[in-house]
Amino acid sequence: DTGVSQDPRHKITKRGQNVTFRCDPISEHNRLYWYRQTLGQGPEFLTYFQNEAQLEKSRLLSDRFSAERPKGSFSTLEIQRTEQGDSAMYLCASSLVVTRQIYGYTFGSGTRLTVV
Amino acid sequence: AQKITQTQPGMFVQEKEAVTLDCTYDTSDPSYGLFWYKQPSSGEMIFLIYQGSYDQQNATEGRYSLNFQKARKSANLVISASQLGDSAMYFCAMREASLGANSKLTFGKGITLSVRP
Repeated sequence: DTGVSQDPRHKITKRGQNVTFRCDPISEHNRLYWYRQTLGQGPEFLTYFQNEAQLEKSRLLSDRFSAERPKGSFSTLEIQRTEQGDSAMYLCASSLVVTRQIYGYTFGSGTRLTVV
Repeated sequence: AQKITQTQPGMFVQEKEAVTLDCTYDTSDPSYGLFWYKQPSSGEMIFLIYQGSYDQQNATEGRYSLNFQKARKSANLVISASQLGDSAMYFCAMREASLGANSKLTFGKGITLSVRP
């Protein structure tokens, strides 16, 4: 088990372009979370999945953002028509939840997005 | 209202000394969990320690201990015998357990710790 993997580690894109990030959680974890972290702030919750079902989306997740977790394994986060305000670190985390008991959270190293 | 408050902007500690990083929280949920994470410059969030709201004893993990004062709603992290590798951002986070099936973490703004040789 190699932990939570995120790809790419860094992404520089021009304003208006679309970008997609990938997260591979720990294989036996059934929950997957996306967070956004801007400079000097703590991570902010964006959305989470229970297996393949997206159960909650933050108001931070505008219509330009979409996340999927097909087959309940890896997840993708897409940002359409990027804006400079989207520049941030995007963190993915996974956890195992059994009958509402959560067995810890494991974070990936994040994808740092810079919109120029 | 801010749920996790970390007001220390930056902390400095001499190598081998102990340091306390403050965290206060706000919740009306009787069942919750408190976490501390370390984030070095590489960006990864590294789990340090966990305290459940019903835990009778303060959590300890190696050089890390959590000073949990439930009535004051504080969960301060104590790092003993600081090492140069402890220099990083430290985040306090909370998970409220009674809000249905949601298990998201709410983070504070973090504290920068610098260890001096």
